[in-house]
Amino acid sequence: TQLLEQSPQFLSIQEGENLTVYCNSSSVFSSLQWYRQEPGEGPVLLVTVVTGGEVKKLKRLTFQFGDARKDSSLHITAAQTGDTGLYLCAGAKTDKLIFGTGTRLQVFP
Amino acid sequence: EAGVVQSPRYKIIEKKQPVAFWCNPISGHNTLYWYLQNLGQGPELLIRYENEEAVDDSQLPKDRFSAERLKGVDSTLKIQPAELGDSAVYLCASSLILAGEQFFGPGTRLTVL
Repeated sequence: TQLLEQSPQFLSIQEGENLTVYCNSSSVFSSLQWYRQEPGEGPVLLVTVVTGGEVKKLKRLTFQFGDARKDSSLHITAAQTGDTGLYLCAGAKTDKLIFGTGTRLQVFP
Repeated sequence: EAGVVQSPRYKIIEKKQPVAFWCNPISGHNTLYWYLQNLGQGPELLIRYENEEAVDDSQLPKDRFSAERLKGVDSTLKIQPAELGDSAVYLCASSLILAGEQFFGPGTRLTVL
């Protein structure tokens, strides 16, 4: 059972556009991680957010953790073709990570 | 520093055949995970090891899947017999702390014909 629902499931945009990916749950997490996975590779950690309401910026990527620590968002400004990949959120419980359903992003030149 | 190593990268077998996947985690990482990932979806945990002990195998289909982590380092995941629905990518990951950053291998893409 997937406790973390991501939306949209698929996103196809042109270079230069902005986009937001959402990660929602009814459960509270101690922290939330975002990973990006490229074809033929394993997921790679982008960021970890820990505090409710926390906002972290990584160049053109902005991550936010919901106040209640149940949801998160990833906003990409001026998308580039190199941003193409599968984006995964993962919520941390006491002793495990629960991965979201994934958002596949395709950025066209 | 070497990352998580998995082999083989690809495996094609006929249904009812056995198959095994191998994983070597990052040195010093006591926690090792095996995940199943279907195309375009998030990884689903199969089993988690703390050293050589399987501490969470609740999602492992034990009638056909087995795993071991001898000496608390390398790990092997086996399927016997394989079914068509087992076609997926099998990811291995390791971490230094519980619920911390996980480092993934490239995965083994299994195709069952």
